[in-house]
Amino acid sequence: AQKITQTQPGMFVQEKEAVTLDCTYDTSDPSYGLFWYKQPSSGEMIFLIYQGSYDQQNATEGRYSLNFQKARKSANLVISASQLGDSAMYFCAFTGTASKLTFGTGTRLQVTL
Amino acid sequence: NAGVTQTPKFQVLKTGQSMTLQCAQDMNHNSMYWYRQDPGMGLRLIYYSASEGTTDKGEVPNGYNVSRLNKREFSLRLESAAPSQTSVYFCASSRTGYNSPLHFGNGTRLTVT
Repeated sequence: AQKITQTQPGMFVQEKEAVTLDCTYDTSDPSYGLFWYKQPSSGEMIFLIYQGSYDQQNATEGRYSLNFQKARKSANLVISASQLGDSAMYFCAFTGTASKLTFGTGTRLQVTL
Repeated sequence: NAGVTQTPKFQVLKTGQSMTLQCAQDMNHNSMYWYRQDPGMGLRLIYYSASEGTTDKGEVPNGYNVSRLNKREFSLRLESAAPSQTSVYFCASSRTGYNSPLHFGNGTRLTVT
């Protein structure tokens, strides 16, 4: 069974600084995908970024990038130039050949002035 | 431009009552999902439907039933609600394949007293 782990329950970052949110996974599937979602206090789930297991380059979407280290089975989210609006819960998620998305327990990010 | 629509947004039930959560998507997605979110536990998959006419259990299916009514609609039924089913429920949909992000509804906050 796949397992996904987020070890940071909460993180603080100053506005305009970069922050890395950790995510590790465990799978024997040869093909899989890794996702990051943002959940603001309003409660909706917002898709941020995707990384496929065969992708040669790290995914980037605006200020979000995914630091994918396949051998270490890690898929950390990097947010550059943090903004107050980045304060939210962030979830890492994994899907393998069964195409069922499994979520980590999340990291609460607080951006401070 | 509705995406995934869930109803109701809020519901309070007494122990033993039944109810059905409705979900509809207008993105022509094959796959649909029901998750529950509890504090500190991320999102856990209850049931999913990889395509019209098929449903499968997820991580926490006990106490729930689902119906994939057609390609657009996927309902979740609680036959006899219990306080342990107090949670926020999310419906989601996606295209087929491990590289397809899930699109989420806005959630249903259910309280069972």
